[in-house]
Amino acid sequence: EIVLTQSPVTLSLSPGERATLSCRASQSVSTFLAWYQQKPGQAPRLLIYGAHNRATGIPARFSGSGSGTDFTLTISSLEPEDFAYYYCQQRRNWPALSFGGGTKVEIE
Amino acid sequence: EVQLVQSGAEVKKPGESLKISCKGSGYSFTNYWIGWVRQMPGKGLEWMGLIYPSDSDTRYSPSFQGQVTFSVDKSNSTAYLQWSSLKASDTAIYYCARQDHYFDYWGQGTLVTVSS
Repeated sequence: EIVLTQSPVTLSLSPGERATLSCRASQSVSTFLAWYQQKPGQAPRLLIYGAHNRATGIPARFSGSGSGTDFTLTISSLEPEDFAYYYCQQRRNWPALSFGGGTKVEIE
Repeated sequence: EVQLVQSGAEVKKPGESLKISCKGSGYSFTNYWIGWVRQMPGKGLEWMGLIYPSDSDTRYSPSFQGQVTFSVDKSNSTAYLQWSSLKASDTAIYYCARQDHYFDYWGQGTLVTVSS
C-alpha cells in the first residue's frame, strides 16, 4: 500500500500570500498524482492531475510540481475562496488508490 | 453536462441494511469506472473501491473488502453502495466519483447516520 503524507496539517496564511503544500509518498508514484480541493459542505474538486496538469477551469494561480515521492501544490496568491482543505491522491498502483490525510489552508 | 446525483441522507439503526445510489448522466456511463469514497465526521477522504459499469468488474480497498458491496444497473446508469448490517462506525458522508484516470466528477455526497 502506498501511503501519502501531507504537510503541514494546517497552513495559516493571509489573502495574497503564497501557499506551498507538500505531499510525500512512501514509494515512487512517478507522476501519477492528483490534488483536490474541498470546501466545507461540498464534494472534492479536481485541481491538478498527472502531478502538474491543471484540470478544466482551474485558475492559473494553482500549480503542481514534483515526481517520484515528493510533490508540491502551490497557490501563488491566495484568494478568499482558496481557504479550504486540500488532498493529494495517487494512482500509481491502480486499482489500489489512496489519499493523503489533507492540509487545511486557513485564514491567519 | 456530466453529473452524478446521489440519493438523500439516511438515518439507520445498527444492524440494519442500506443501499445508496449514484446516478450518472451527460456521459457514457458504462465507459468510466465509478469510485466510492468515505469521509467520516471531521476526517479526510478514504478510497473504498471501484466498479466498472460495463461488466461490473469490482475492486475493493482491503479496508472495505467484505464490509460493503458495489453494484450497478446499467439500464438506469446508476451505481449502488450497500451494507448488510450497519455499524455506528459507518456514520459518514459517502461520495461517488467518476474516474477518468483521476476522479474528475463527483456526486454531492450521501450522509449516512447510524445510531441507536
